[in-house]
Amino acid sequence: QVQLQESGPGLVKPSETLSLTCSFSADTLDTYYCSWVRQAPGKGPEWIGHVYYSGNTDYNPSLKNRVTISVDTSKNQFYLNLTSVTAADTAVYYCARGIVGSTRHYYYMDVWGRGTTVTVSS
Amino acid sequence: DIQLTQSPSTLPASVGDRVTITCRASQSVSSWVAWYQQKPGKAPKLLIYKASILDSGVPSRFSGSGSRPEFTLTISSLQPDDFATYYCQQSSAFGPGTRLEMK
Repeated sequence: QVQLQESGPGLVKPSETLSLTCSFSADTLDTYYCSWVRQAPGKGPEWIGHVYYSGNTDYNPSLKNRVTISVDTSKNQFYLNLTSVTAADTAVYYCARGIVGSTRHYYYMDVWGRGTTVTVSS
Repeated sequence: DIQLTQSPSTLPASVGDRVTITCRASQSVSSWVAWYQQKPGKAPKLLIYKASILDSGVPSRFSGSGSRPEFTLTISSLQPDDFATYYCQQSSAFGPGTRLEMK
């Protein structure tokens, strides 16, 4: 069974870059999308973006200028980089396995990691 | 961008009740809607995908229906474990959530 585990610093300073890693247990995520979702305190989830094993990416337009998601299938890991963070980026960050249909509008996430809390503060 | 609204935002209910949560999309871009259950401190858990398909292991008291732009999640007979927050999701958007609480 696929398992996902997020890792990375729990505290990031304002204006710096948030970097997280998601490690997955399965031998391959071929045909799936590696997704990142975050949830600010007391708020609903917010999709950040995803990467396909081929390297194709899609991002939330509201974060597109600051986010990079990449994958290394040889290491069974994928990554999130979010630049120029502010307090508004404080959230629990989840990685998840995404399934996409014929277009990007046909999409859901079926397996989630437990999440990692990231606080932006000096 | 797609905006999702959910109603109600809070739903008081009792064990054994039949409850329905509604999700409406601002644009009819997709027939795929997913529903997630989230408990405090936990990750969202997929319940239903493609509007009406139950994910593996999800109890049959959960069901999904509807067509663009309005979709519903129904719990036929509430169990104590069902009190949680429920989110719909379509494309890159999540709904604001419905908190199911004990009456």
